[in-house]
Amino acid sequence: GAVVSQHPSRVICKSGTSVKIECRSLDFQATTMFWYRQFPKQSLMLMATSNEGSKATYEQGVEKDKFLINHASLTLSTLTVTSAHPEDSSFYICSAPGAGGLGTDTQYFGPGTRLTVL
Amino acid sequence: EDQVTQSPEALRLQEGESSSLNCSYTVSGLRGLFWYRQDPGKGPEFLFTLYSAGEEKEKERLKATLTKKESFLHITAPKPEDSATYLCAGGADKLIFGTGTRLQVFP
Repeated sequence: GAVVSQHPSRVICKSGTSVKIECRSLDFQATTMFWYRQFPKQSLMLMATSNEGSKATYEQGVEKDKFLINHASLTLSTLTVTSAHPEDSSFYICSAPGAGGLGTDTQYFGPGTRLTVL
Repeated sequence: EDQVTQSPEALRLQEGESSSLNCSYTVSGLRGLFWYRQDPGKGPEFLFTLYSAGEEKEKERLKATLTKKESFLHITAPKPEDSATYLCAGGADKLIFGTGTRLQVFP
């Protein structure tokens, strides 16, 4: 199957700092990638859809100025959490459709990034 | 409102004790029903995609089935290594996830 990587796997930062998380599709191109957030013992919640060459689409309730998304190439999307606060601590996971680029083609997920804000 | 509901929330099985996990969905214009396995601290691992009622797919001890309103993940003779959270998701233009079933299989 398609492989998606994320970096870093874990990050601990102080309140008020910004953190960048990278998501890469390793063996396929992805014009669309998705960013999810998962709190302990809860399911995945879609935060935004990252589109190569255009602006990201954010879900209702997600602050676009706080969670900056850049889809720089067909294999790389980045999520920057700006001025992070303890309530932003969560597990962030990206995914990419394996074929067709449409939202519901099978999505392959990265290993996730655990963000802890002190 | 689009919704995906999974039951039970948690399931404890003895090794070899077969069972089924349920996923009920209400998704307008459903394009696919997906099953994933998630281990603690890791991203979801793709298991199955089902597109139409009556479709079935199998992989080792797992079989997924789909009706117009729900999907089942059948686990036959599970082993301890099958312990994980199983997520189902449905989508039209984006995926909506259920809250998952935490499966524990004891030797």
